[in-house]
Amino acid sequence: SQTIHQWPATLVQPVGSPLSLECTVEGTSNPNLYWYRQAAGRGLQLLFYSIGIDQISSEVPQNLSASRPQDRQFILSSKKLLLSDSGFYLCASASGNTEAFFGQGTRLTVV
Amino acid sequence: AQSVTQPDIHITVSEGASLELRCNYSYGATPYLFWYVQSPGQGLQLLLKYFSGDTLVQGIKGFEAEFKRSQSSFNLRKPSVHWSDAAEYFCAVGEEDYGGSQGNLIFGKGTKLSVKP
Repeated sequence: SQTIHQWPATLVQPVGSPLSLECTVEGTSNPNLYWYRQAAGRGLQLLFYSIGIDQISSEVPQNLSASRPQDRQFILSSKKLLLSDSGFYLCASASGNTEAFFGQGTRLTVV
Repeated sequence: AQSVTQPDIHITVSEGASLELRCNYSYGATPYLFWYVQSPGQGLQLLLKYFSGDTLVQGIKGFEAEFKRSQSSFNLRKPSVHWSDAAEYFCAVGEEDYGGSQGNLIFGKGTKLSVKP
C-alpha cells in the first residue's frame, strides 16, 4: 500500500513569512495527489489536486499555491502567510482504483 | 450543492456499549461513501467504503456501515466500543476522478467520540 510522508509535523510561522510544506509518496507511481486543510470547526476542505507533474487544480481561491515537480512529490507554498492560513494540512494520494491514503499532517500556526 | 452532514459533534459512550455515528449526504448521483478515523494529531485512516452492491459494509476494527438510499444516510456502527476507539470520525462522499481513484472528497465536519471506562 501507499505511504505518505509529510514534513514538518508542526510549524509556527509569523504573519507575512513564506511557507513550504512537502509531501512525498512511496509504494505507487503516477498517483493523484491532494492537499486538504482542516481548520477548527470546519472539517476537511480540498485545496488542490494534481493528476500529474505540473498539473495542478485549485479548488478554492486562497493565499496558497501548490506544485508537483516530480511524480511523487507535492509541495504546498505561500509567499506571505496570513493568520487565516493556520490549520492542519493533510496530503493524500490515490491511484488506480483506490481510495485516498493520507499522511500524518502538518500543524501550521501563524502568529 | 454536494454536502455531508454529521449532526453529532461529540458523542460519549461507555466501554462495551454499542455505537452509531450518523452521516447524511446530499449528492446528485450515487456517491462513493467513506468513513475515516483520525486519532489526535494524526492523519486519516480508512475504516470502510461503499461503492455499490451490498448496502451493509464491513470495515476494519469491527466497524460496519449501512447505506440507505431512501434516507441519504451512511451511518457507522459498532456493537461494542473499546477505549481505543476514542477518536474523531469523518464521513465523506466522492466520485471517481482521473484514473479511477477516489481522493476528491467532500467531508463532514466530524464526530468526536469519547469512551468512558
